[in-house]
Amino acid sequence: EADIYQTPRYLVIGTGKKITLECSQTMGHDKMYWYQQDPGMELHLIHYSYGVNSTEKGDLSSESTVSRIRTEHFPLTLESARPSHTSQYLCASSRGDRQNNSPLHFGNGTRLTVT
Amino acid sequence: GENVEQHPSTLSVQEGDSAVIKCTYSDSASNYFPWYKQELGKGPQLIIDIRSNVGEKKDQRIAVTLNKTAKHFSLHITETQPEDSAVYFCAARKSYSGAGSYQLTFGKGTKLSVIP
Repeated sequence: EADIYQTPRYLVIGTGKKITLECSQTMGHDKMYWYQQDPGMELHLIHYSYGVNSTEKGDLSSESTVSRIRTEHFPLTLESARPSHTSQYLCASSRGDRQNNSPLHFGNGTRLTVT
Repeated sequence: GENVEQHPSTLSVQEGDSAVIKCTYSDSASNYFPWYKQELGKGPQLIIDIRSNVGEKKDQRIAVTLNKTAKHFSLHITETQPEDSAVYFCAARKSYSGAGSYQLTFGKGTKLSVIP
């Protein structure tokens, strides 16, 4: 049973449109993440947040932006979608802990297609 | 930074046989090693994890072994069933101390197919 929700599940949109992918979690987790998953399955971290008003860029450069105004909500925005943005986007969250040993909880993803 | 290599990329086994997926990591400071299972149309789910003070951990048909000296860890699935068919990811991360990234570094995934 998912405690982290992503909407929409599928999105087909034209080039140049602005889109926002929604991610919400009900577990009270401090940390949240966005991963991009390519067709070859590999997971790439594009954004993360350690708490409200905290956002950082991940390992893979992305033209998307994120915000963290509320603990439970971590939306991702593309100002002008392009075909190269076509991918699966996965949101995740985890507890903040001193040892950094808390597991990630993933949502079921948003599959974005830009035509 | 950390680099995690995962092998094989695809694996087919007969139902009832065992499956083994192996990962190596580069940063000797890494001490947390989770395994995730991703079914079609879903996000990855944690199935087992191990910390560096433990050499082996079991949970029913799933076991993970860790060799810190050699910097490799493996996932073992015994008595495989068709519902084990999925993509499996290994990952590594270190605790908060010193420099460098504290994010999970994932392997590239193994697509496991269990043939009935």
